[in-house]
Amino acid sequence: DTAVSQTPKYLVTQMGNDKSIKCEQNLGHDTMYWYKQDSKKFLKIMFSYNNKELIINETVPNRFSPKSPDKAHLNLHINSLELGDSAVYFCATRDRDFEQYFGPGTRLTVT
Amino acid sequence: QKEVEQNSGPLSVPEGAIASLNCTYSDRVSQSFFWYRQYSGKSPELIMSIYSNGDKEDGRFTAQLNKASQYVSLLIRDSQPSDSATYLCAVKGRGSTLGRLYFGRGTQLTVWP
Repeated sequence: DTAVSQTPKYLVTQMGNDKSIKCEQNLGHDTMYWYKQDSKKFLKIMFSYNNKELIINETVPNRFSPKSPDKAHLNLHINSLELGDSAVYFCATRDRDFEQYFGPGTRLTVT
Repeated sequence: QKEVEQNSGPLSVPEGAIASLNCTYSDRVSQSFFWYRQYSGKSPELIMSIYSNGDKEDGRFTAQLNKASQYVSLLIRDSQPSDSATYLCAVKGRGSTLGRLYFGRGTQLTVWP
C-alpha cells in the first residue's frame, strides 16, 4: 500500500486553464502539506493542514486554493494557470517527530 | 526568514570514499534536523533525523550535529554509485513555525565507479 499517493502523476495543460491535484495518505497523520519544487530543485512550502484546518499559508498567489475534505485527503486547485506554475508539486505528511513523508509528486507543465 | 544553507556542489567522490555533506542554519533555537535523499525524478525520502548534539549512526550514514556552531552534517561511508542523488537538509522551526520544515537547496552527490 502506498503511504502517500498523488494524482495525476503528470499534468500538461495550457495557460489559463484550471486544474486540480489530489493527495491521499493512509499513515493516519494529522498534518499534510503542499510543496512546490522548481527547476532548480528548491522545495518551497505552500500550505499545511492539520486535521482539516489550514495552519500554514505561505505567500502564494490566490489562484492556488487548497482543500482538505478530511484528514486523509488534501487537494490543490489552481485557477488561470501560468507558465511560471510549471513545477513538481509534492504532497507530504508528518508524524509526531516532525518527520515528513512525501508523495511521488505531480509534474505540472503549462504550455 | 529561517535560512538553511548547503554547499550546492556538485560533490563528486569515487566509490568507496567518504562523502561529507554540510548544512548550516540561522535559527539558533532549532531543535530537530533531518536529511532527505532525492533521486532524480523522485520524491524526497527521509534517511536520517537528529535531535541532540553529537553523532548518530545508521548503517553507512552518520549525522553530526553541533548546535553551538549551528551546523549539521551527513557522512556517507563506503560510498556507492547508488548513493548518487541530491541530499536535502531540513530544520524544524519553532514557535509559530512549529509545523514546518525549512529546507536547504540541496547538495548533488555523484559517486563514480
